[in-house]
Amino acid sequence: GAVVSQHPSRVICKSGTSVKIECRSLDFQATTMFWYRQFPKQSLMLMATSNEGSKATYEQGVEKDKFLINHASLTLSTLTVTSAHPEDSSFYICSVAGLKSVGNTIYFGEGSWLTVV
Amino acid sequence: ELKVEQNPLFLSMQEGKNYTIYCNYSTTSDRLYWYRQDPGKSLESLFVLLSNGAVKQEGRLMASLDTKARLSTLHITAAVHDLSATYFCAVDIMEYGNKLVFGAGTILRVKS
Repeated sequence: GAVVSQHPSRVICKSGTSVKIECRSLDFQATTMFWYRQFPKQSLMLMATSNEGSKATYEQGVEKDKFLINHASLTLSTLTVTSAHPEDSSFYICSVAGLKSVGNTIYFGEGSWLTVV
Repeated sequence: ELKVEQNPLFLSMQEGKNYTIYCNYSTTSDRLYWYRQDPGKSLESLFVLLSNGAVKQEGRLMASLDTKARLSTLHITAAVHDLSATYFCAVDIMEYGNKLVFGAGTILRVKS
């Protein structure tokens, strides 16, 4: 079964509005979650590292005031795209690092398609 | 700056043939991952390689890691149409906080 759950899987929003994407760790507590963005036919690019109980760490070039990340509990991180524009349309994926006991792998959510019109 | 290079970027092959995808990375890595992505979907974990000389196999796919050469390979044996997908390698480095850096991906098309 799924280890990481994302919601919504698809969302369409109007330009200028905000949209929130949720990432839940289902099987274990996650102090750290990661948010990636993938444009069509491109690879995944890390946007930010979400840290439970503290501020997120953003990668160079990612606007922290535009992409708000909240990691309020050990099982939930949210990404809010504020004042969305068509160029923000992308596939957003979160990930959670698994424990050594489950093979050291990193689990990805199902992803969220954002279309800004 | 950590860089991860994959090649080829596009691979078209006939069913039944063998081929290898290569993944080079620029600095010492703690772990190397291989993922599969189907169109419109998220990533499916294939392999995690932890140490030099590690080899893992699952069905028609086999992954290996040479940390000295900073090279991982994903070998496809007797390809079938169902293997058509995009394959990514990714590198995990502790000094970067266990963030993944991805290769560009290899689009694999297996023709019947």
